[in-house]
Amino acid sequence: AQSVAQPEDQVNVAEGNPLTVKCTYSVSGNPYLFWYVQYPNRGLQFLLKYITGDNLVKGSYGFEAEFNKSQTSFHLKKPSALVSDSALYFCAVRDVSSASKIIFGSGTRLSIRP
Amino acid sequence: GAGVSQSPSNKVTEKGKDVELRCDPISGHTALYWYRQRLGQGLEFLIYFQGNSAPDKSGLPSDRFSAERTGESVSTLTIQRTQQEDSAVYLCASSRRDSPSTEQYFGPGTRLTVT
Repeated sequence: AQSVAQPEDQVNVAEGNPLTVKCTYSVSGNPYLFWYVQYPNRGLQFLLKYITGDNLVKGSYGFEAEFNKSQTSFHLKKPSALVSDSALYFCAVRDVSSASKIIFGSGTRLSIRP
Repeated sequence: GAGVSQSPSNKVTEKGKDVELRCDPISGHTALYWYRQRLGQGLEFLIYFQGNSAPDKSGLPSDRFSAERTGESVSTLTIQRTQQEDSAVYLCASSRRDSPSTEQYFGPGTRLTVT
């Protein structure tokens, strides 16, 4: 069975500082990994995904994520946070080798203070 | 181009009534998904449609929930005899095809409140 965990319900960062939102996963085969962001009163937006190749994936709004197979992690990062990055972030995983559905984490609320 | 749209944006209904939620996917997207998001929680898969294949209904929580899709266009999610625990945001998403590597595009959701 596949699963994804976001161990932090909330992450607080000062504007201009680097941010990390953590995600770990479990799949029986190889994973496809995704990050989505949900701004207040809006639907989820795709940020980035890892399919294959370079472990460092770059996405929208200056975000990037690093796939670490040995640690089964796919942490979301940004070198310098903006107040406008404040939102709810969801990590998601799908097993490459099966017809399984995508599984979303419980979400991490990112709060950037000025 | 137009994104995924959902209607209504908000729905307040009395316990025991039936409700119908609508989703218009992005044109040309063959895969369509419904999710439920309870307050402060993650997304709960409900059902997905892929082209003319039989839908995957494995996430529907009870037989009060059903969904239909007309070809590769509009989908409706129906909840019969609503209960208070049905209160949530119902999200619809579509993708070009149901491939594990394809990202989904989400609508703004319908906030359902059962009183």
